[in-house]
Amino acid sequence: EIVLTQSPATLSLSPGERATLSCRASQSVSSYLAWYQQKPGQAPRLLIYDTSNRATGIPARFSGSGSGTDFTLTISSLEPEDFAVYYCQQRSNWPLFTFGPGTKVDIK
Amino acid sequence: QVQLVESGGGVVQPGRSLRLSCAASGFTFSHFAMHWVRQAPGKGLEWLALISYDGVNKYYADSVKGRFTISRDTSKNTLYLQMDSLRAEDTAVYYCARDLDAAGSGRFDYWGQGTLVTVSS
Repeated sequence: EIVLTQSPATLSLSPGERATLSCRASQSVSSYLAWYQQKPGQAPRLLIYDTSNRATGIPARFSGSGSGTDFTLTISSLEPEDFAVYYCQQRSNWPLFTFGPGTKVDIK
Repeated sequence: QVQLVESGGGVVQPGRSLRLSCAASGFTFSHFAMHWVRQAPGKGLEWLALISYDGVNKYYADSVKGRFTISRDTSKNTLYLQMDSLRAEDTAVYYCARDLDAAGSGRFDYWGQGTLVTVSS
């Protein structure tokens, strides 16, 4: 099983600031990594797939990068609606898909 | 617009069974693979099962293999999860999710709102 680790567990920032979230895999996942956003009481929403491809309707302030075992989700300038929990997910070890434990982005 | 609506959750005793449904609309259901993913209270996401667009190929997480069965009915545009031999640790919100493609590449592009299953005596 590929284990994903996310850091930090919590990120406290103000609106307008840049957010940088990290995801590390226990072994290479090539470029097969996605990012999801989840707000309280809501379902997850796909933001980025295959490292850097934005999903339909996702604003350009969200971007992804990385390869192999180290990946980053960057939110260039936080909007009020961006405060949420973010999960990474790998599909390299098909079909045993796994998620990271999440990073909570909260308001400082 | 794409809509996925889960139903069938509730409180069930350990060892009993429950069947979840996921009604799909707004897209051609038979063209996409589908998944079930769950989230225990206050915890992260756990992928459970995948079914291909035609229902032929099915895959399961080890945690539910042999106890849960995924299926689909194209005539009803509905995805199912039959859950048998339920345990306390199966308590979670269960989400259905659409895959980006027919075979099931593991990219979950649309999710339902979830249905809560509580396993308790």
